[in-house]
Amino acid sequence: TAGITQAPTSQILAAGRSMTLRCTQDMRHNAMYWYRQDLGLGLRLIHYSNTAGTTGKGEVPDGYSVSRANTDDFPLTLASAVPSQTSVYFCASSPQGDRTEAFFGQGTRLTVV
Amino acid sequence: GQNIDQPTEMTATEGAIVQINCTYQTSGFNGLFWYQQHAGEAPTFLSYNVLDGLEEKGRFSSFLSRSKGYSYLLLKELQMKDSASYLCAVRDSNYQLIWGAGTKLIIKP
Repeated sequence: TAGITQAPTSQILAAGRSMTLRCTQDMRHNAMYWYRQDLGLGLRLIHYSNTAGTTGKGEVPDGYSVSRANTDDFPLTLASAVPSQTSVYFCASSPQGDRTEAFFGQGTRLTVV
Repeated sequence: GQNIDQPTEMTATEGAIVQINCTYQTSGFNGLFWYQQHAGEAPTFLSYNVLDGLEEKGRFSSFLSRSKGYSYLLLKELQMKDSASYLCAVRDSNYQLIWGAGTKLIIKP
């Protein structure tokens, strides 16, 4: 089973360019999330979606946008990349419910130069 | 503000026992999670606590005290493959996960 898949695995991006990080899950989970992980910091939530058609802002949403046109896909777009967006990005999903844990994609390592 | 505290790094010996502590201050509490993350990989779920007490799952156990804002992850019979970072996360009153920075566990032979 595929689970949750992210693409690309890694990318070097020139500052000022735009880029979309892709995330697809085949578990029919309602909730999806985008996190960034930086050395010495915990995972920080960028945007989330509790169900298809809805999205919400997390802790660090500035410079990022998302859409949730269907249950399976949750792309993250950087409109004009800046070096501070250099990070490892994780997409995650979870079924809704009190005891449900999040399942993570393998991550996208993004370097903005 | 919301805060999750864990030690940055711990070292233990193969075959021994190690306890990783996590303290939290969050706006509300709807459960605490422990995840394991090997270097360069995604976090994977280990355990979940919502009531006070100990949850045991094989070599791993997790304890919660809500009144103290405290949890620990106990790893027994340590193996070299347990070398990883261990992440503590609390779900707050908005059902959002607040993450600690993680504890890097180094296992020595």
